[in-house]
Amino acid sequence: DIQMTQSPSSLSASVGDRVTIPCRASQNIDNYLHWYQQKPGQAPKLLIYARSGLQSGVPSRFSGSGSGTDFTLTISSLQPEDFATYYCQQSYSLPLTFGGGTRVDIK
Amino acid sequence: EVQLVQSGAEVKKPGQSLKISCKASGYDFGNYWIGWVRQMPGKGLEWMGIIYPGDSDSRYSSSFQGQVTISADKSLSTVYLQWSGLRASDSGMYYCARLPFSYGSGSYSAFDYWGQGTPVIVSS
Repeated sequence: DIQMTQSPSSLSASVGDRVTIPCRASQNIDNYLHWYQQKPGQAPKLLIYARSGLQSGVPSRFSGSGSGTDFTLTISSLQPEDFATYYCQQSYSLPLTFGGGTRVDIK
Repeated sequence: EVQLVQSGAEVKKPGQSLKISCKASGYDFGNYWIGWVRQMPGKGLEWMGIIYPGDSDSRYSSSFQGQVTISADKSLSTVYLQWSGLRASDSGMYYCARLPFSYGSGSYSAFDYWGQGTPVIVSS
């Protein structure tokens, strides 16, 4: 199974900050890496698919980068509505696996 | 508009059976995989399995193989997740989500649409 690691599990930031959230795969997953945002009491929401594709309706301040085993979600200017938990997920092979999540909270 | 609408909250006793549902609309139901994802209280997301409603082909995580059954009814555009003997450790939130598949690359994409979740509580 491919292990997805997200560290740190939480970070604190201020509105307007540039935030980067890393995700590492235990083996090469090409660009089969996706990012989700989850707010308390809500279902996850797809932000970025296939490493850097912006899902329809998602603000352009969100971007994805990386390749192989190391990937990053970047929020260029953190907004109040962006405080949430972010998960990465690989679809390179079954079983599909998620990272443990990174919670972004208010500094 | 693509929608996945899940059945309501469930409270069950250990050993009881349960079947929860996920009704799809707004797209060709038979041509997209649908998956189930568990989230235990305060924890992350765990992939349980997927089903292709077109032919009911299914795949399971080894953690859930034999513990749950995923099925689909094309006539109702509905996917199900069922347990035959619940345990307290099955308590959690269960999400269904649509999973496109690229026949060109032979790979799954991302879960692009999600249901609202079904909370399951198993307690004596």
